[in-house]
Amino acid sequence: DQQVKQNSPSLSVQEGRISILNCDYTNSMFDYFLWYKKYPAEGPTFLISISSIKDKNEDGRFTVFLNKSAKHLSLHIVPSQPGDSAVYFCAASGDSNYQLIWGAGTKLIIKP
Amino acid sequence: NAGVMQNPRHLVRRRGQEARLRCSPMKGHSHVYWYRQLPEEGLKFMVYLQKENIIDESGMPKERFSAEFPKEGPSILRIQQVVRGDSAAYFCASSPRGQASTNEKLFFGSGTQLSVL
Repeated sequence: DQQVKQNSPSLSVQEGRISILNCDYTNSMFDYFLWYKKYPAEGPTFLISISSIKDKNEDGRFTVFLNKSAKHLSLHIVPSQPGDSAVYFCAASGDSNYQLIWGAGTKLIIKP
Repeated sequence: NAGVMQNPRHLVRRRGQEARLRCSPMKGHSHVYWYRQLPEEGLKFMVYLQKENIIDESGMPKERFSAEFPKEGPSILRIQQVVRGDSAAYFCASSPRGQASTNEKLFFGSGTQLSVL
């Protein structure tokens, strides 16, 4: 039972354009959402998070949007850069910061 | 580099052997977490430890798997009598304050890729 779904295994975007990565969840008890970025042969690195009391959080080129009624969140990267090529994981938590429920990841490829 | 260190990076075992995965947390971190990632899937929580204590092992199989974080030395994830289904990437993460806040970020190591022949 996948509680967090990232339906696009991969996404290809032109350098300089906007990258939009999507994530859907089923458990309405989730109240904190995170995005992690992972390069090959490395561990995931925290990117940005959002609490369920907000609908938007911005950090430089990265913005996360949360639509609680649709149980959907998205990560926007603008402008996309070659160094953004990585696998992006969406994760959600209820009452603990470590029992995260992870999506399967989306591989983002930024084309020069 | 004072990051989370995991070794070995790659571990090959035959069915029935034991696998030992080691994790040294970031300097100043006393909370360690182990996750497993199967191919084409996200990470799955296994166990959360503080020094000399297991706080939550609800994600770890009851049989063949054990974890420890001794007073001195790295955290060890031990898998006895490995089977092919244990083949996965095992990631360790650490944090300074544990479950103090949902804003507590986890810092991950580069993982150990376990292959069972």
